[in-house]
Amino acid sequence: EAQVTQNPRYLITVTGKKLTVTCSQNMNHEYMSWYRQDPGLGLRQIYYSMNVEVTDKGDVPEGYKVSRKEKRNFPLILESPSPNQTSLYFCASSIAGPETQYFGPGTRLLVL
Amino acid sequence: GENVEQHPSTLSVQEGDSAVIKCTYSDSASNYFPWYKQELGKRPQLIIDIRSNVGEKKDQRIAVTLNKTAKHFSLHITETQPEDSAVYFCAARNTDAGNMLTFGGGTRLMVKP
Repeated sequence: EAQVTQNPRYLITVTGKKLTVTCSQNMNHEYMSWYRQDPGLGLRQIYYSMNVEVTDKGDVPEGYKVSRKEKRNFPLILESPSPNQTSLYFCASSIAGPETQYFGPGTRLLVL
Repeated sequence: GENVEQHPSTLSVQEGDSAVIKCTYSDSASNYFPWYKQELGKRPQLIIDIRSNVGEKKDQRIAVTLNKTAKHFSLHITETQPEDSAVYFCAARNTDAGNMLTFGGGTRLMVKP
């Protein structure tokens, strides 16, 4: 089954404790992206990757890191989480470019 | 960068009525405009998209129209059904400015049976 998976789905952590949210797709997609969703602000792009070893900043990259060592995986890293990073995070992928993106199930993060 | 504004933020209609959601964008070079539907607790899913060389596109009960001169595009849902209740997001992309998608703030559509 073609899908985008994220782990964990729910996470409660404390300020400053490094965490990683994994994202994996099995559709051989070149484009992968991370978004955060906050009420009234829609979906805002954090980082995206056009292909392996190629990553670029989105609209809200501050406080986040990503890597794309393999085509199927695109982890999101929060080196020192802060309460303003409490949000719902979605990973997405597409064949090439941000068109026709398939979204993962989301990761709800609470930073205390 | 691109800025997308979406209105209304909430919309309530009776089952069977039509619903219209409007978005405006700031970058006149934007050329791709998708609409995503997000049901409660679920992931966003693409429902329809339009490119700047087309003025209108239909898919059964949903349609999207684009006015490049005015820099706005709209989602039209006819004969609404309770299962249309969801949050709808518009977005815009300028292929010459990179590989990002800029989303509007979302519209919560409620269809009353």
